[in-house]
Amino acid sequence: DTEVTQTPKHLVMGMTNKKSLKCEQHMGHRAMYWYKQKAKKPPELMFVYSYEKLSINESVPSRFSPECPNSSLLNLHLHALQPEDSALYLCASSQAGTDTQYFGPGTRLTVL
Amino acid sequence: GIQVEQSPPDLILQEGANSTLRCNFSDSVNNLQWFHQNPWGQLINLFYIPSGTKQNGRLSATTVATERYSLLYISSSQTTDSGVYFCAAYNQAGTALIFGKGTTLSVSS
Repeated sequence: DTEVTQTPKHLVMGMTNKKSLKCEQHMGHRAMYWYKQKAKKPPELMFVYSYEKLSINESVPSRFSPECPNSSLLNLHLHALQPEDSALYLCASSQAGTDTQYFGPGTRLTVL
Repeated sequence: GIQVEQSPPDLILQEGANSTLRCNFSDSVNNLQWFHQNPWGQLINLFYIPSGTKQNGRLSATTVATERYSLLYISSSQTTDSGVYFCAAYNQAGTALIFGKGTTLSVSS
């Protein structure tokens, strides 16, 4: 099974709201990733967790806060977002290191 | 840092046609991957191909690492092949997957 699940599929939020995106994998992978993708652009890496520790933070604004409660789960907490944060947020996982990454279906976020 | 360039940016085909997509990379890369992003946004793994040739049904891919390019072949294209095709490679540190800008394929019946 090479499935990564993400919830919710769609999210509309105001600039003062707090919401969370969730990602789950049961492939035993030890690295998990958050990407942001704007329309007609490639995905851009936001965060990498390796063995449940944050290892990469690509200078993402603090209004995005990642959390990795265990090796199967990855959350992205959102607070005080701006309309320009509207995008497709993709979660991925890989065995470790430079292995194949498997992507979830994404959460399409709209910030009003 | 590593750069990944894809061509052509857009491709329009009639159903049944064949096509070749190209990915050039600026430096030695590890673990080149091809993805297909469908119109709903799902990124689907096509190939993990650091070198050599692989085939999966109507799709095949070849990576010539020494010459820093990879090719994705699609034969007998179908409307369901429409979407964006990305190639991606890890940076030298092996910490981040760097994507090309993609090739948008439209197949009409």
